[in-house]
Amino acid sequence: QVQLQESGPGLVKPSQTLSLTCTVSGGSISSGGHYWSWVRQVPGKGLEWIGVFYYSENTSYNPSLKSRVTMFVDRSRNQFSLRLTSVTAADTAVYFCARVTVIPKDYYYYMDVWGKGTTVTVS
Amino acid sequence: ESVLTQSPGTLSLSPGERATLSCRASEYFSSSYLAWYQQKPGQAPRLLIYGASNRATGIPDRFSGSGSGPDFTLTISRLEPEDFAVYYCHQYGSSPYTFGQGTKLEIK
Repeated sequence: QVQLQESGPGLVKPSQTLSLTCTVSGGSISSGGHYWSWVRQVPGKGLEWIGVFYYSENTSYNPSLKSRVTMFVDRSRNQFSLRLTSVTAADTAVYFCARVTVIPKDYYYYMDVWGKGTTVTVS
Repeated sequence: ESVLTQSPGTLSLSPGERATLSCRASEYFSSSYLAWYQQKPGQAPRLLIYGASNRATGIPDRFSGSGSGPDFTLTISRLEPEDFAVYYCHQYGSSPYTFGQGTKLEIK
């Protein structure tokens, strides 16, 4: 079955850029019926949606992060990535990548496969 | 932005009891865009319910979802020890695709 694995540095300095990659295994990132998303969780807090990557290289980002976020895909490596610029301590969190399954005829959209998460500390 | 407000913040129950968790949206969206997730400490969220009332693959039938905008409910009919966790509702109807703040289900 499809599995996701986040990777990237666990420590980033303030004002620098956070870069994370999610590797998809057991399936193709280009397969129909799915989008690819990032979610984060500040320690002890709730979940925050960061953004989503659609089929046609389009993206949608959380407006609270939009000016600092970029998501892109490397189909040859079956990976998608997150880049967050000008980080501060408030960006310290566990970052999850997730697959969004889409069933357009029923208007269903849900995150059914998640990575285990990677902790990023800004300090 | 559709804000999802979950209640209660913490629910203390015993195994075997029934749990009812609520999620209220500040803006209308179709129930097809509402999902529920379970999260245990140190783990990723796990999809329970999508489209407000459809159980995800492998989810026991003691979990059920109901409701339509703006009020949604997750019910666990008979709590098992492994059900004590944090539960989040999530909407995919309008960007940003927000989560509720979570309900912590703890053992009484």
